[in-house]
Amino acid sequence: EVQLVESGGGLVKPGGSLRLSCAASGFTFSSYSMNWVRQAPGKGLEWVSAISRDSSYIFYADSVRGRFTISRDNAKNSLYLQMNSLRAEDTAVYYCTSCSSAGCHKGWFGPWGQGTQVIVSS
Amino acid sequence: DIQMTQSPSSLSASVGDRVTITCRASQNIDNYLNWYQQRPGKAPNLLIFSASNLQSGVPSRFSGTGSGTDFTLTISSLQPEDFATYYCQQSYSSPLTFGPGTKVDIK
Repeated sequence: EVQLVESGGGLVKPGGSLRLSCAASGFTFSSYSMNWVRQAPGKGLEWVSAISRDSSYIFYADSVRGRFTISRDNAKNSLYLQMNSLRAEDTAVYYCTSCSSAGCHKGWFGPWGQGTQVIVSS
Repeated sequence: DIQMTQSPSSLSASVGDRVTITCRASQNIDNYLNWYQQRPGKAPNLLIFSASNLQSGVPSRFSGTGSGTDFTLTISSLQPEDFATYYCQQSYSSPLTFGPGTKVDIK
């Protein structure tokens, strides 16, 4: 069974940092591009960042570029999101999701994790 | 960036009703349009990919049509477990963008 399990969320002050992790199992993690998607309270879905299978291609939403860093460790079947200079507007549930075998571009988001809550507040 | 809009933003329907949700892209996206269902407190779940392809395990009462800029998601006979929010998403170009969602609740 495919599983994606996020962790690392919590309460952090504005300007602070957090590192999210996503542990993957049940599929060949190294064969799929991966993403982070977030959802602010009561709001819709916002794509945050994507990383290719071998980390050679990385993309960010304008809203997080320069503050967030996506990475992966295929040996550990894990995806990460380092979040620095956090702002109140970064408050959201952060989901880890894979891309389809066709990729993210002209593909679709596959299995999703259950999400991890990030709250940025003083 | 490609902007996605959905209509209606919410609707009330009864079990057994036929429900249609519309999604529009701000420019041509061919058929690179996906639909997701999100139940309250849960992660999104893929329903339809590439505009009209039913994801494995998704009931056949769900269907999708469209290409270019205009797309529809239809639920042929609404079931109790279908009360949720539905999002469209384009994968034609980066940044990948979602529609604002359509909430389907019980009449």
